[in-house]
Amino acid sequence: DQQVKQNSPSLSVQEGRISILNCDYTNSMFDYFLWYKKYPAEGPTFLISISSIKDKNEDGRFTVFLNKSAKHLSLHIVPSQPGDSAVYFCAASRGGGGNKLTFGTGTQLKVEL
Amino acid sequence: GAVVSQHPSRVICKSGTSVKIECRSLDFQATTMFWYRQFPKQSLMLMATSNEGSKATYEQGVEKDKFLINHASLTLSTLTVTSAHPEDSSFYICSARTGRQNIQYFGAGTRLSVL
Repeated sequence: DQQVKQNSPSLSVQEGRISILNCDYTNSMFDYFLWYKKYPAEGPTFLISISSIKDKNEDGRFTVFLNKSAKHLSLHIVPSQPGDSAVYFCAASRGGGGNKLTFGTGTQLKVEL
Repeated sequence: GAVVSQHPSRVICKSGTSVKIECRSLDFQATTMFWYRQFPKQSLMLMATSNEGSKATYEQGVEKDKFLINHASLTLSTLTVTSAHPEDSSFYICSARTGRQNIQYFGAGTRLSVL
C-alpha cells in the first residue's frame, strides 16, 4: 500500500522555466510534508517542508504548495537551473520531519540547457 | 547542514555471512537514527528507529533477529545483517535526527549484494 505517490518517474524542463513536481498521499493522518533532493551516490538532502496548517511555504527558488482536501502537494522550482537535475523525493510524516518518514518513489528531474 | 557518514558504501558478501553497516553523525549528536531500505524502483521504506541507549523499534515485517541495530553512542548507530541471503540484497540508508531542526539528515547509503 503506497501511501505517498509520485506518479511521474521523470520530468524534463528547460533551463529558466518552472519545474513542477507532484505528490499525492492517501493517509489523512499525515501532517508534515517534506521534499528531499538526491544526487547519484549521495544521500537525500533536505530541501523544504510544510506543515498541514499551511498551504504554502517558500524558500528562495523553491515553493511547496499543499492542498489538504485533495491530499496533494507540489514543489515548484523557478527558475530551474541545470544543477537542479536530481531525483526528488516527497515524504510525509506525523508530528514533524524528525519522525518516521513515508517516502514516494521519486521523480527524476532533468533541467536542460 | 548536518553531515551523516555511512560506511561502507558498497559491500559484496557470500550467502550466510554477516555484514555490519555504520552510520555516524559527524558534527551533531543524534539521539535518534533511522534505518531505511530501498528495493529497485521502489521508495525508501523505514526498517527501524534506533534510539541511543535503548532497543530499536522495528517496523512491521522487519525481522529484528536478522537486522540487528545498535545505537551505543550519540553519534553512532550500526546495522548488522546477520546470515545474509540474496533476498537481502538492497540499498540500505540511515538518517539521523537533530533535535534542533526536527528534520532528518541522510547518509549516502550502502549497496549490499549477497551472492
